[in-house]
Amino acid sequence: QKEVEQNSGPLSVPEGAIASLNCTYSDRVSQSFFWYRQYSGKSPELIMSIYSNGDKEDGRFTAQLNKASQYVSLLIRDSQPSDSATYLCAVNTYSGGYQKVTFGTGTKLQVIP
Amino acid sequence: GAVVSQHPSWVICKSGTSVKIECRSLDFQATTMFWYRQFPKQSLMLMATSNEGSKATYEQGVEKDKFLINHASLTLSTLTVTSAHPEDSSFYICSAPVGPSQYFGPGTRLLVL
Repeated sequence: QKEVEQNSGPLSVPEGAIASLNCTYSDRVSQSFFWYRQYSGKSPELIMSIYSNGDKEDGRFTAQLNKASQYVSLLIRDSQPSDSATYLCAVNTYSGGYQKVTFGTGTKLQVIP
Repeated sequence: GAVVSQHPSWVICKSGTSVKIECRSLDFQATTMFWYRQFPKQSLMLMATSNEGSKATYEQGVEKDKFLINHASLTLSTLTVTSAHPEDSSFYICSAPVGPSQYFGPGTRLLVL
C-alpha cells in the first residue's frame, strides 16, 4: 500500500463548480498535512496546510482532515480555468527527531470553461 | 518570506559532463534541504536529504557517487550530477522546510544530449 494515495485523474469540472480532491494516508502518527499545486513545467506551490481534524478555509480553498479515517481533502469552490493543475497531497511525520514528508502522486484537475 | 531559489533554471550539456545545481534559501536558514527529481508526467521522487555540515542521506536506489550533494552553509545546498547521461535528463527541484511546511525552489530542467 502506498503511503499517500491520490486518484491520478484527470478530474474534470466545469467552470464555477466545486472541485473535490481526495487523499488517504497510511501512517497513523502523521501530524501535518499539506496541499500543493503544480502547474505543468513548474515546481510545486504550497496552497494549504492543516494540522487538526475539521475544516480549514482560505479563500476559495477548504482543506478537510479526518485523522480517524486517515483522509484529507481539498475543496475548490467556484473553480476557474486557472485552477487547472496537478494537486499534490503531502503528509509530514516526525519520528525519532527527523521530519519525513511523503507526497502523493497528484491529481490532475481540469476546469472546463 | 520563505523563498527558495535555484540556479540555473535550464541546463543543456553533452553526455559525460558534470552539472552543478544550486539551491538557496533567500530569507531563512535551512539546516536541511531536500532534492527531488521529476520525470515528465510523473510524480516527485525524493532523491536525497541534504544536511548542513554533514553527509547527505540518499533514498534507496539513488547513486550517491553520481549525485553529489554538498550543504556547506545554512543557505546553500548544491547537487552535482556527475558524468551526466541522457537518462539523467529531468526536472530537478529542491525544497527547504520552514517548520512543518516545505517551500520549493523553481526547479532546474536538465537536458543531456
